[in-house]
This record gives sequence, structure tokens and C-alpha cells, in this order.
Amino acid sequence: GAVVSQHPSWVICKSGTSVKIECRSLDFQATTMFWYRQFPKQSLMLMATSNEGSKATYEQGVEKDKFLINHASLTLSTLTVTSAHPEDSSFYICSARVMGGVNTEAFFGQGTRLTVV
Amino acid sequence: GESVGLHLPTLSVQEGDNSIINCAYSNSASDYFIWYKQESGKGPQFIIDIRSNMDKRQGQRVTVLLNKTVKHLSLQIAATQPGDSAVYFCAESVYSSASKIIFGSGTRLSIRP
Repeated sequence: GAVVSQHPSWVICKSGTSVKIECRSLDFQATTMFWYRQFPKQSLMLMATSNEGSKATYEQGVEKDKFLINHASLTLSTLTVTSAHPEDSSFYICSARVMGGVNTEAFFGQGTRLTVV
Repeated sequence: GESVGLHLPTLSVQEGDNSIINCAYSNSASDYFIWYKQESGKGPQFIIDIRSNMDKRQGQRVTVLLNKTVKHLSLQIAATQPGDSAVYFCAESVYSSASKIIFGSGTRLSIRP
């Protein structure tokens, strides 16, 4: 199946700094990618929908100025957590759907564990 | 807001038995449903999907049932194995391009030897 790769797998940063997470579709083009956040023992919560070449669409309650999303190409979307604080510590997961085919299965990255200290 | 939910947060099953994981959804506009498996520290892994024009779909050792009348989904895993231990999520979407996938609350499946 299609592969979505996230980098880094884990990151530890100091409070107040910014962290960038990359999401790449390795063998297919994804005009749309999705970013999720998952706290321990909870479900995946959709943060935003990232569209190639346009502004991201954020879910209610997600601060767009804090979680900057850039989708510069059909294979890369980035999520930047700005001025990170300990409460931003979470598991961030991206997803991409295969476009233009019969199957609209979504593929997920392996996730990025962010710890803010 | 609308959500996808589950009846049971945890499920313990004897190895070799069949597992049934249930899910309720509330968005009547959703017409595409997916089951995912998530192991600790990893992203969700696709298991099986079903469109609303079907009420049953089978894969390898897994079957998904959809009851649109009561807005209920279930995932059946035959001959449950230790490797099936994980958290299982149902999710809903609209079967068209670029529609977001909304996850339910998840069920942890543990296997007794």
C-alpha cells in the first residue's frame, strides 16, 4: 500500500521554542493531508485539513496561529508548533488520502511524539 | 457536534475465539466507514472499510457489518491471535475526495492466552 512518512518520530523541545513536523507521501500524490493529535488513551482528534497550494482548514478550537500548516507540494505537508508549552506534548499524526482513484483509503504516518519540557 | 462513539472501551478475548467490536455513529451524512488498528506508539493501520450501499464486507479474518437503520458498525475478528492486541477505532467519512475522517473513541482488545 501507499506509504506516508513522518519526521521526526519523536522530539523533545524546551518550552517557548517551535517545532516542525514533516509529513511526506512517498509513492503517491496527496492534494489533501490531515493532521491529528492524540493524547494518551484517547482517540485521534482532527486538527486541520491541509490543502496543497492553499490555506489549511482548522477544526473548531484549534489555534491556527499556534499550529502552522504548510502544504507546499503534492507530497509534503508540515506542521509547526509555535511557542510550544508542556500542554502541547502529544502524539501528532498525519494522514493522506489517495486522490483520483477508485479507492479513497487514507494512509497514516507513524506519528511524532512531541514532549515539551 | 456529531461524533462516532463506541459501546465498550475494553474487550478481553480468549485466544482463538472471535472478537466483536462495536461502534455507533451519529452523522447521517457519513457514507464511508473504516476500521483502524493502532498499536502502541504507532499510527493507525487500515483494516477494512465499507460504504453505506453495503451492509457487510469481508476481509482476511475480519468482517465489517453496517446497520444504517440504527447507525451501528461492528468489526468481527475471527480466531483472535495475540498479534491482534491493539486499540481499534471506527471512523467515518464521506466517500468523495478529500473528505476528513473522524475517529471514534476506540476499544482496547486484549487477548488471554
